[in-house]
Amino acid sequence: EPEVTQTPSHQVTQMGQEVILRCVPISNHLYFYWYRQILGQKVEFLVSFYNNEISEKSEIFDDQFSVERPDGSNFTLKIRSTKLEDSAMYFCASSDRDSNEKLFFGSGTQLSVL
Amino acid sequence: TQLLEQSPQFLSIQEGENLTVYCNSSSVFSSLQWYRQEPGEGPVLLVTVVTGGEVKKLKRLTFQFGDARKDSSLHITAAQTGDTGLYLCAGHQAGTALIFGKGTTLSVSS
Repeated sequence: EPEVTQTPSHQVTQMGQEVILRCVPISNHLYFYWYRQILGQKVEFLVSFYNNEISEKSEIFDDQFSVERPDGSNFTLKIRSTKLEDSAMYFCASSDRDSNEKLFFGSGTQLSVL
Repeated sequence: TQLLEQSPQFLSIQEGENLTVYCNSSSVFSSLQWYRQEPGEGPVLLVTVVTGGEVKKLKRLTFQFGDARKDSSLHITAAQTGDTGLYLCAGHQAGTALIFGKGTTLSVSS
């Protein structure tokens, strides 16, 4: 079965550093998402992306965050200047149709900001 | 703010028992989804319910969407140790992103 792949699985960085989390969505999917899950808390929506632009973003997704689809296969989340509170599991997801359709999630990148 | 409240937060039962977990909101959702998440993995979709009052069965799992489309339940019959995991409900309101509840952590022991 096709799957969403995320790299790296773990990322450790110093506070203030930039990180880029990478995702390869399922090849025929058109909608892409980033979610995060702080340890012990719920899965939180960050941003959705369609047709090479952001379609929706949450309050969490401030100016420190950006997303990009640099080529036909990758979908990246960049955090410009990481803060301690950015430590979380970051999940990428993709779907082939909007709204009610099935989201396929990757296994996540565990980001630790020291 | 849209909120999905899940209960109970933790549930520990013996193999063979039945259980029900709940997902409630004060808001109406166009659909509700149930996911299961294993440690270190992303959520995996179990089912989507769309119509008020809808009941869907997936082997020993029965999912129900409330008539008013504000709540949902997941019932597991004769739980097995393999059912252990985090069960998440998630909902869409029209045109908005999927939001998640905090989840119910289920532990089934033999």
